[in-house]
Amino acid sequence: GAGVSQSPSNKVTEKGKDVELRCDPISGHTALYWYRQSLGQGLEFLIYFQGNSAPDKSGLPSDRFSAERTGGSVSTLTIQRTQQEDSAVYLCASSLDFGTGVYEQYFGPGTRLTVT
Amino acid sequence: QQQVKQSPQSLIVQKGGISIINCAYENTAFDYFPWYQQFPGKGPALLIAIRPDVSEKKEGRFTISFNKSAKQFSLHIMDSQPGDSATYFCAASWGAQKLVFGQGTRLTINP
Repeated sequence: GAGVSQSPSNKVTEKGKDVELRCDPISGHTALYWYRQSLGQGLEFLIYFQGNSAPDKSGLPSDRFSAERTGGSVSTLTIQRTQQEDSAVYLCASSLDFGTGVYEQYFGPGTRLTVT
Repeated sequence: QQQVKQSPQSLIVQKGGISIINCAYENTAFDYFPWYQQFPGKGPALLIAIRPDVSEKKEGRFTISFNKSAKQFSLHIMDSQPGDSATYFCAASWGAQKLVFGQGTRLTINP
């Protein structure tokens, strides 16, 4: 079946602009995660959605970052007033419902964000 | 408490040899330990995972060894092949919560 998809694959933006990154999880997966991968920081957790529960936003680095998940499926990560340090690959992952005891997270190909 | 420490940062192995990557964690609440393989320009791909109720799990040429008392786990790649050349990440989580990743190991298999 189809895996996690992300768009765009690449995004170049000017410092100070807002960007939106999109994630389509695997069909039937109710848990969705955003991570960031950068050279200096490795793979960092950003935010986690599980069903109708309040999202775990503990990894968001600043209030310029926000995310939403509409209809329990597609998610959008928004970065406002982008800074050069926001340049990274943004990865989305999904997994089956929390209550199933199935913990495997499957990643999308990522969106490479470059802030100039 | 949330850290996962991975070593070595880079590893060169001859074709046919055994590649070994090690990880150590601090949080005893972690109960899920996956390994991911990542090729340049691609997202991480789940390779193999283990839970703390077993000490070893094998899938093909890939084996995870888990030492709960030492809070360590390792990935062994038997009969390493040039196609195994990639970056490998260990990770840990409590259930389906966020993954905490190690820093990664760049593996090169020389033909």
